Amino acid sequence: DVKVTQSSRYLVKRTGEKVFLECVQDMDHENMFWYRQDPGLGLRLIYFSYDVKMKEKGDIPEGYSVSREKKERFSLILESASTNQTSMYLCASSPRTGVGNTIYFGEGSWLTVV
Amino acid sequence: AQSVSQHNHHVILSEAASLELGCNYSYGGTVNLFWYVQYPGQHLQLLLKYFSGDPLVKGIKGFEAEFIKSKFSFNLRKPSVQWSDTAEYFCAVNARTGGFKTIFGAGTRLFVKA
Repeated sequence: DVKVTQSSRYLVKRTGEKVFLECVQDMDHENMFWYRQDPGLGLRLIYFSYDVKMKEKGDIPEGYSVSREKKERFSLILESASTNQTSMYLCASSPRTGVGNTIYFGEGSWLTVV
Repeated sequence: AQSVSQHNHHVILSEAASLELGCNYSYGGTVNLFWYVQYPGQHLQLLLKYFSGDPLVKGIKGFEAEFIKSKFSFNLRKPSVQWSDTAEYFCAVNARTGGFKTIFGAGTRLFVKA
């Protein structure tokens, strides 16, 4: 089974702090994604990466950056956390073989910014 | 730009009732279509997907969905729901010329009364 692991399930951070959310997948997938999930808004894509050191902006990249130094690891960085970034963050991965392959999700990281 | 609309945000049914959740997308080209489910406290997982061929696809736990190209729809159905189907359901679309981006709907929360 594909496993996508998000290291932190629950975090509470202060406004202005730098926040790192880590994600690791164990299936050698080329594609990795960061979404945020908010009630009534579904999942919105923040950033995705299709290869090591490659990244593309999603629909809501403002206030976020990402890092992919190794194929299995994709980090989301909040440079200066704000209260409107309180949300559930979902990491996901998928194989590259063909567009539109199934996306596998991690369990999510609940971030509260106070 | 692609978008996905789920018509119902909240649905409440009694056990054994039939279920149909609506999903419409906006994209004129060839698409891959998905339904994901998130049970309480669990991560998002694939319910079923359509890539090509028979427009009626069957997924896990007795769910099925029908792709109607002329209506840009991919509605999810189940003839008889169970209490354990209580979850949030997300429709998603990946356009074959849209790179690796998968767009999700806002989700439908289903509550099944025992």
